[in-house]
Amino acid sequence: SAVISQKPSRDICQRGTSLTIQCQVDSQVTMMFWYRQQPGQSLTLIATANQGSEATYESGFVIDKFPISRPNLTFSTLTVSNMSPEDSSIYLCSVRTSGRQETQYFGPGTRLLVL
Amino acid sequence: SQQGEEDPQALSIQEGENATMNCSYKTSINNLQWYRQNSGRGLVHLILIRSNEREKHSGRLRVTLDTSKKSSSLLITASRAADTASYFCATGRYYGNNRLAFGKGNQVVVIP
Repeated sequence: SAVISQKPSRDICQRGTSLTIQCQVDSQVTMMFWYRQQPGQSLTLIATANQGSEATYESGFVIDKFPISRPNLTFSTLTVSNMSPEDSSIYLCSVRTSGRQETQYFGPGTRLLVL
Repeated sequence: SQQGEEDPQALSIQEGENATMNCSYKTSINNLQWYRQNSGRGLVHLILIRSNEREKHSGRLRVTLDTSKKSSSLLITASRAADTASYFCATGRYYGNNRLAFGKGNQVVVIP
């Protein structure tokens, strides 16, 4: 299994500002993912962040809005840029260990409220 | 595209009763995973069932998978108040786009 921590756990931000969310894993993992969960909704994948390569963004998400860093096999950051109230969500980091049939684990999430 | 989709029901049961929720999907999968989420917190992994498996147990949880019907069910036996949560299924297809696709989630309330 993998133990994942995220910082901050929650934040209240003003529109137009940016917030960087950190994700730390207790073991080296190949694949890391960032998800968004809007209020009352399911999870939507923002991007896949593999170490040593550029993040791959899903349709509807762009690097300028959600820049991601993946400097090593245990850490990643997601920045929510130029925030608006529509960005109010829970942001979740997730990892999958190597292999084809591996469990995907999730961090505790960062609850963001944009005013 | 593959997509897990739970029956969109909110389930309210008495403590000690069993809770069953279903999930359907559209394309072939490698595995299906069930998660629990308490009060908007992170997701807790419950169980993974592979496409060549039909049933799996973990404690009070029983998961079935019917690949011919593209559906899965999660049964929680002898429910407890602490089981109150949202439950999500997610389908894994570790080739092609390699993404885990989530369903809409089921809200389960266990009344003490």
